[in-house]
Amino acid sequence: DQQVKQNSPSLSVQEGRISILNCDYTNSMFDYFLWYKKYPAEGPTFLISISSIKDKNEDGRFTVFLNKSAKHLSLHIVPSQPGDSAVYFCAASAVGSSNTGKLIFGQGTTLQVKP
Amino acid sequence: EPEVTQTPSHQVTQMGQEVILRCVPISNHLYFYWYRQILGQKVEFLVSFYNNEISEKSEIFDDQFSVERPDGSNFTLKIRSTKLEDSAMYFCASSEMGLATYEQYFGPGTRLTVT
Repeated sequence: DQQVKQNSPSLSVQEGRISILNCDYTNSMFDYFLWYKKYPAEGPTFLISISSIKDKNEDGRFTVFLNKSAKHLSLHIVPSQPGDSAVYFCAASAVGSSNTGKLIFGQGTTLQVKP
Repeated sequence: EPEVTQTPSHQVTQMGQEVILRCVPISNHLYFYWYRQILGQKVEFLVSFYNNEISEKSEIFDDQFSVERPDGSNFTLKIRSTKLEDSAMYFCASSEMGLATYEQYFGPGTRLTVT
């Protein structure tokens, strides 16, 4: 089951530069997308989300872009900081057809921000 | 800040034994979830629970699994007869509403090792 895919297992960027994490999905029923961040020995923590009626959502240094026609979303972190080093999970949900809140996750991308 | 707690942090059990993983969701939340992450793989949805019943379950969640809210604070996942392939990190999550648009707060996880 590969409904949500993060094809890059890892990404390394220099502090102050932009980090771009990518995510693709196959299920056209997905209408809500989220990014979670996970540190070792902790559970995933919500970062930012976007509804399918939008193509961009911004929160401070974090911006999520959604391209519905390409079934692709990306998370931009600008500027990247060493504290951003973590595993980032893309997740999706079919809110319109389900009221259970079930999230489908990608495999995660490990981001390393070098000082 | 309210948080989801899980106990134990690490459980080692022998194949065929029963295990109970415990979670204390955030007190005013009504929707509860279990997810698991096998080492090196994606976070997978197991089950969602609302109003003392399962609202959705995945195909992973077979007859060997059960969930319960035995009192007003705990939420448990029971695996009746553990298998080697049940070894994973199990995350509990809770949210105010059963829609992905409401943030799911995750606990730190229980690492289950089946030998």
